[in-house]
Parts: sequence; structure tokens; C-alpha cells
Amino acid sequence: EVQLVESGGGLVQPGGSLRLSCAASGFTFSSYWMHWVRQAPGKGLVWVSRINSDGRSTNYADSVKGRFTISRDNAKNTLNLQMNSLRAEDTAVYYCVSGHVVLDYWGQGTLVTVSS
Amino acid sequence: QSALTQPASVSGSPGQSITISCTGTSSDVGTYNLVSWYQQYPGKAPKLMIYEVSKRPSGVSNRFSGSKSGNTASLTISGLQAEDEADYYCCSYAYNSTLVFGGGTKLTVL
Repeated sequence: EVQLVESGGGLVQPGGSLRLSCAASGFTFSSYWMHWVRQAPGKGLVWVSRINSDGRSTNYADSVKGRFTISRDNAKNTLNLQMNSLRAEDTAVYYCVSGHVVLDYWGQGTLVTVSS
Repeated sequence: QSALTQPASVSGSPGQSITISCTGTSSDVGTYNLVSWYQQYPGKAPKLMIYEVSKRPSGVSNRFSGSKSGNTASLTISGLQAEDEADYYCCSYAYNSTLVFGGGTKLTVL
């Protein structure tokens, strides 16, 4: 059974940093592209970033480019999202998702709240 | 990276069919047959329902179908059931190697 478990969310002040992680199991993690997708409270889904299977290729939404960095550790079956210079509008549930272009499997999400 | 356009809400009675549209541009929906649809219940993670415009993952009811014409993709749910009441999101691959979602559509089963 595929499992994606996010962690690292919490309350952070504007301008602060946070690192999200996602532990993957039940599939060959090193063979799959991975994504982060977020959803602000009461709002729709927004794609944030993706990384290819070996970690050498990454893409970002314009809204996070230069502030967020996606990475992965295939030896530990872990996906990460380093979030710097956080803003109030980054407040959202962040989902870890597997897939190349099709978002096959989703974690349950971790809530990030940016507030003073 | 503008969001794809979906109606905010649609409704239908049990047994009826409904269609949700998803309008993009020639930079996303119009060029790539890489449109997918996701179902989301309140407080839950989204679930893949349709991929590559019209393909259904294993386990998804054949009441769900997808299509595309020009810059607009569509999700049709036939034989509407109470359990279909949820939010639905379309998503497309875009020219700059990114993905873009629609704003979401709330389906109400009357």
C-alpha cells in the first residue's frame, strides 16, 4: 500500500523558515517524480513544485520561485520542501504527491500557518 | 501561470448527468493531452479520477468520463449518486514544465 506521510508543519512568523518532509513507502520511491501541492483554508488546490526521480530536475510555481527549494533523499525515501521568506499567503495545507504529470497518490497533508 | 477556469458550482439530481468544464489556453489544455481530474471530500486529500483527458485509474467508476475540445476539458458524471457530492479540480501540464489547477467546482447532489 502506498503511503505518503508529511511532517514539519506548524506556526511560523512572516519572514521565517520551515522545512517540510514526506516519508514515502509502499512503492519504489526512487523511480517516481514527486510534487508538493498546497491548499489555503477554504480555497482550491495550487501546484507548488516538482522534482524528478533522481533529484536533478526541479520546477516551481512563480509564487514560490526563489523562496522554496524541493529536494529528495532516495536512500531514505524522503521528499523535502525548504520554505524561506514565508508570507501570510503561504498559509495552507501542504500535500506530498507522487507522479510525473499525473498526481497518483496524495498524503494527508501538513498545515503551515504564517502569522505573527 | 493563471489558474484554469471552472464553474464555482454545479448541481444535479440523483440519476442525472452533469458536466464540469475546465477552460485553459493554448499554453496548457489546448496543447497537451495531459489533463487530469481530482475529487476531494471536505477535510480529505484529493483523489485521482481521470488522467490524460479521458483515462480512468483502476477502481474509479465508469460513471466518470473525460473529454477535451480545443482549450476546454470536461468531466462528465453520469447516473449521479449522493456519494458524488464533493469538490472537483482539473489540472493540466503547462508549457513551462509546470502544472496548473482549476479553481475547483463544488458538486451538489440535490
